[in-house]
Amino acid sequence: SAVISQKPSRDICQRGTSLTIQCQVDSQVTMMFWYRQQPGQSLTLIATANQGSEATYESGFVIDKFPISRPNLTFSTLTVSNMSPEDSSIYLCSARQWGPSTDTQYFGPGTRLTVL
Amino acid sequence: DQQVKQNSPSLSVQEGRISILNCDYTNSMFDYFLWYKKYPAEGPTFLISISSIKDKNEDGRFTVFLNKSAKHLSLHIVPSQPGDSAVYFCAASQSAYNQGGKLIFGQGTELSVKP
Repeated sequence: SAVISQKPSRDICQRGTSLTIQCQVDSQVTMMFWYRQQPGQSLTLIATANQGSEATYESGFVIDKFPISRPNLTFSTLTVSNMSPEDSSIYLCSARQWGPSTDTQYFGPGTRLTVL
Repeated sequence: DQQVKQNSPSLSVQEGRISILNCDYTNSMFDYFLWYKKYPAEGPTFLISISSIKDKNEDGRFTVFLNKSAKHLSLHIVPSQPGDSAVYFCAASQSAYNQGGKLIFGQGTELSVKP
């Protein structure tokens, strides 16, 4: 299994500022993703982080607001830009591993963001 | 368009009894399904998965059943323990690599197991 760590675990930010969340996986993984879980809601996929190229964003999410990097197979960052209170959420990094007999997706502990 | 639905937001079960959590999906292209457990202030933890070539998968106290014709899956926990109290999410995907492996999640069911 893959163990995923995220930094920071939580933060309180002012409106209009930006926050970068880091995600580190302890092994090389096939794919990395970023999710958001708003209060009382399910997990919503923001984007797929592609190694060495631009991320693939889901409908409703754009690169200017959520720039993502993935410089190698085990590390990715998500930036939440020009924040507003509506961005208050838990942001989750996720990694998927494929193999001959395995196909599992793991999640980090999440970053709890509060925007004032 | 909610492709994966968990219609019961909460479920309360007595310790030692069976917990049954249900999940429905609408996209017939989904062929891989997973269940996750989530405690407050933690990320989701993978529990068990099932491929569409099977109709049942078992791992200890956890069993997942898949009914493809009804587009329905369920997670059975037997016997239920107080430590099982958490929010349970079902998720579905098209497992083929070129589909991107995106997981679509249901809304979650909060399970409470009472001593």
